[in-house]
Amino acid sequence: DSGVTQTPKHLITATGQRVTLRCSPRSGDLSVYWYQQSLDQGLQFLIQYYNGEERAKGNILERFSAQQFPDLHSELNLSSLELGDSALYFCASSGGQGFVSDTQYFGPGTRLTVL
Amino acid sequence: EDQVTQSPEALRLQEGESSSLNCSYTVSGLRGLFWYRQDPGKGPEFLFTLYSAGEEKEKERLKATLTKKESFLHITAPKPEDSATYLCAVQPYGGATNKLIFGTGTLLAVQP
Repeated sequence: DSGVTQTPKHLITATGQRVTLRCSPRSGDLSVYWYQQSLDQGLQFLIQYYNGEERAKGNILERFSAQQFPDLHSELNLSSLELGDSALYFCASSGGQGFVSDTQYFGPGTRLTVL
Repeated sequence: EDQVTQSPEALRLQEGESSSLNCSYTVSGLRGLFWYRQDPGKGPEFLFTLYSAGEEKEKERLKATLTKKESFLHITAPKPEDSATYLCAVQPYGGATNKLIFGTGTLLAVQP
């Protein structure tokens, strides 16, 4: 158990809908990262937050957004869902803000299926 | 562009048959190289971090090594419970972020 929790575990929805994925980092970790894992592309970095502020963006679609709350949990919002958004979404956390290397610990993921 | 390539894509071994997985990387500056293990439908589990060429780390039957262009994950006398996908990721220099760039992984199957 990495100490990172994600809910829900599974999510099935229809095209055009909006969903919210939730992540709680390990105790004491201030950075939260979101990754998408699809069959054909592997794990892709989406976005990083540090202590409530956006720190870096990867190839995140405009239909996707995220935030980190004062209690450090994070939410990833996916809207106008398309079939291609079906994937595993992972949250990871680490202690640092990004100026020196540190290890990211991953949650169990949310499997999103768009029908 | 920062890039990570893993080979082979899949590897089947007999129990006790040692082998190595390869991770080649191209990065403007390497902050760290990470190995993770991922079981089906689960999140990646951290194994090792390597920071500089020549560095080696060991854990049970696994040993990771690093050169300036690639990393190897050596598996000695594997057991069926070592079956998983092994992911390599680099953490490049640049900005205040520790984002990881992953390879597509090596799917390892160890048969009894």
